[in-house]
Amino acid sequence: GAVVSQHPSWVICKSGTSVKIECRSLDFQATTMFWYRQFPKQSLMLMATSNEGSKATYEQGVEKDKFLINHASLTLSTLTVTSAHPEDSSFYICSATGEGYEQYFGPGTRLTVT
Amino acid sequence: GENVEQHPSTLSVQEGDSAVIKCTYSDSASNYFPWYKQELGKRPQLIIDIRSNVGEKKDQRIAVTLNKTAKHFSLHITETQPEDSAVYFCAARINAGGTSYGKLTFGQGTILTVHP
Repeated sequence: GAVVSQHPSWVICKSGTSVKIECRSLDFQATTMFWYRQFPKQSLMLMATSNEGSKATYEQGVEKDKFLINHASLTLSTLTVTSAHPEDSSFYICSATGEGYEQYFGPGTRLTVT
Repeated sequence: GENVEQHPSTLSVQEGDSAVIKCTYSDSASNYFPWYKQELGKRPQLIIDIRSNVGEKKDQRIAVTLNKTAKHFSLHITETQPEDSAVYFCAARINAGGTSYGKLTFGQGTILTVHP
């Protein structure tokens, strides 16, 4: 099946700094990529949808200036958490779709802001 | 937008018993319904999915049923095993194009525990 990777798998940063997370589709071209946030014992909450070469569409309540998404190519999307604070600590998961129905998930990135 | 409700939030069964998880959705335009299994700290894994032109789909011990009229769908796991213990999520998606294309809305999740 199709493979989606994320980097880093975990990151610890200090409050006020920015963190960039990469999401790559390794063996297919991803027409659309998605970014989710998952707090402990909760469901996946969609943050934004991005298509290659266009601006991301953010879900209601998600600050686009805080969570910067860049979908630079058909195989790479990045999420930058700017001026991170402890409440941004979470599990961030990306996913990607190609031409089919299935959405392929990355392994997730555990962000801890101290 | 779409809203997906999932029940129960926790489910405990004995090994060998069946487990059923139910979901309802609100948007009649949704036409793709996947189920995911997520182990702690891992990515969600697709275990089965169903499209709106099908009422039931089965894959070994796992089956999904869909009732479009009532807007609900269910996951059935038979002959449960301890390794089935995980969090299960249902989801719904509109594939009709436009800005909502490919966007999954997840249920709240069900923690399934299978006791040996």
